[in-house]
Amino acid sequence: DAKTTQPNSMESNEEEPVHLPCNHSTISGTDYIHWYRQLPSQGPEYVIHGLTSNVNNRMASLAIAEDRKSSTLILHRATLRDAAVYYCILENSGGGADGLTFGKGTHLIIQP
Amino acid sequence: KAGVTQTPRYLIKTRGQQVTLSCSPISGHRSVSWYQQTPGQGLQFLFEYFSETQRNKGNFPGRFSGRQFSNSRSEMNVSTLELGDSALYLCASSLEGPGTVSSYEQYFGPGTRLTVT
Repeated sequence: DAKTTQPNSMESNEEEPVHLPCNHSTISGTDYIHWYRQLPSQGPEYVIHGLTSNVNNRMASLAIAEDRKSSTLILHRATLRDAAVYYCILENSGGGADGLTFGKGTHLIIQP
Repeated sequence: KAGVTQTPRYLIKTRGQQVTLSCSPISGHRSVSWYQQTPGQGLQFLFEYFSETQRNKGNFPGRFSGRQFSNSRSEMNVSTLELGDSALYLCASSLEGPGTVSSYEQYFGPGTRLTVT
């Protein structure tokens, strides 16, 4: 699987937008970009995924660079409950049999 | 709709013993994956089952095995436990099998915390 690079940690204030970056310079044309997050003492939680176009859902937005070598997860208005480790994952659209390859992720700290 | 459930939530075993962990996927989900999470190695893929068949296996020794039943419930077994097997074992289910995007929308359970002493 193609590798992703994320900052180890980021800090933001409550009720402000958060932009979590992810670099994936070796992404292939068939790799989907997925984001999961893991809250303390819980299993990972699906956040959003995309291929080429920007995506929005009730949890977040995903902005994908035109060359697809980077992407940004956007939390529009962070709350304390958004404090978690966020994982950016690439997976080939050919199938899920290889499982998700989780890196170290970004530890997001939200200050009240 | 109920989420993914895992039993037991906590388990303490001694070296050399074997353990069986259980996972009940979300109703209607046919794919079940297992992951191991440790502070040092992070989240690592163990194996995935779809329609009672193991489709792929991660880089773990043969002491780790699993199976899936006709109702999609899955169990994983670890034999001859070692201290290094202490970890959070996570189960995830998804609706479809390979070749579909939704196979990556995995829904994780709370995990089973295994401590080997």
